[in-house]
Amino acid sequence: NAGVTQTPKFRVLKTGQSMTLLCAQDMNHEYMYWYRQDPGMGLRLIHYSVGEGTTAKGEVPDGYNVSRLKKQNFLLGLESAAPSQTSVYFCASSYGNQNTEAFFGQGTRLTVV
Amino acid sequence: GESVGLHLPTLSVQEGDNSIINCAYSNSASDYFIWYKQESGKGPQFIIDIRSNMDKRQGQRVTVLLNKTVKHLSLQIAATQPGDSAVYFCAEVKYYGQNFVFGPGTRLSVLP
Repeated sequence: NAGVTQTPKFRVLKTGQSMTLLCAQDMNHEYMYWYRQDPGMGLRLIHYSVGEGTTAKGEVPDGYNVSRLKKQNFLLGLESAAPSQTSVYFCASSYGNQNTEAFFGQGTRLTVV
Repeated sequence: GESVGLHLPTLSVQEGDNSIINCAYSNSASDYFIWYKQESGKGPQFIIDIRSNMDKRQGQRVTVLLNKTVKHLSLQIAATQPGDSAVYFCAEVKYYGQNFVFGPGTRLSVLP
């Protein structure tokens, strides 16, 4: 049982380049989330999804887009990377429906130079 | 590698002692409060949660206390072990949307 898998684990981008981070979960969870983690700031919600085909903005959505075409996958896109997007990105999923336990992936360390 | 930076509150305890990690939350309307543990280079891992209508909940070696009057949450770890060394985050969540709002975290270091 793989849980939540993020791809890639590490990436270096040049300013202005684009990329997509992939999150896959095999637990049949309805809810999926993308967070970024920066020093001293904990985890901040970028976008989330409460089911296949739905997405919503979180606390820090600017510069990011997401898609949930399949229930098990949640993609995070950076259209034009900026140095301010250097961070560690975590995907998470949960059953929703009053279940509070979220399962996190191992993280993607992204550096924009 | 480290996933959080240099400005976290830090708690150092001797192995075998009890640890108390504190958290202040902001939203009185949150339905649940949760503690997560994050080891270096890994994603956060669920430890325990408590409903907003409860004051205390116990798990294996952990106890969470909720004081709604002062919007304060604490995590007590009994007989702290080296494997407990990590960053601990509190989070609050409302049922609708299930958005987890995380605090900045506390780094726990267990001394031999």
